[in-house]
Amino acid sequence: KQEVTQIPAALSVPEGENLVLNCSFTDSAIYNLQWFRQDPGKGLTSLLLIQSSQREQTSGRLNASLDKSSGRSTLYIAASQPGDSATYLCAVRSGGNFGNEKLTFGTGTRLTIIP
Amino acid sequence: NAGVTQTPKFQVLKTGQSMTLQCAQDMNHEYMSWYRQDPGMGLRLIHYSVGAGITDQGEVPNGYNVSRSTTEDFPLRLLSAAPSQTSVYFCASSPYIDTEAFFGQGTRLTVV
Repeated sequence: KQEVTQIPAALSVPEGENLVLNCSFTDSAIYNLQWFRQDPGKGLTSLLLIQSSQREQTSGRLNASLDKSSGRSTLYIAASQPGDSATYLCAVRSGGNFGNEKLTFGTGTRLTIIP
Repeated sequence: NAGVTQTPKFQVLKTGQSMTLQCAQDMNHEYMSWYRQDPGMGLRLIHYSVGAGITDQGEVPNGYNVSRSTTEDFPLRLLSAAPSQTSVYFCASSPYIDTEAFFGQGTRLTVV
């Protein structure tokens, strides 16, 4: 059974700093890994999608890496801003008992950027 | 683009009542799914569909029914609401198995 872990559960950093969020998963047989952002009381906004054959993806100040063999992904945020404050969720898509349409989510890292 | 639209945004039910959570997408995606989000547990898959007329159970299907008569719509039915079904429900869609998943804004359901 796929399990996804995100540590730490919460993180506070001063504005302007670079930071890294971590995600680990137990089964390396994945199709892809997706990072989401969730603001309080809101839905999930997709940030980056990394296919299993890729090592990293970049979008603006965000860079996500994937090491499938070790079951790890990181989300790097450069020059953090107060608007980056949100909960960041990592999800892996893999097969299993429920077929192919299954995203397994971590419980997220709640990020606070201090002005 | 509207993307994935969920209605209602908020709902309060009494124990034993039934209701349908609506989900519609306008991107012609084949794959649609329902998740629930509970504090400290992450999102968990309830039911999913790989195309019109095809549905299957996810991780936590008990107490919920789904159907997929069209590509666009994937409603989730609560047959007899229980307090344990108090949660935030999210609908998601994607074109294929290995592509980006898009989520709706969620339905916050409280069962009293």
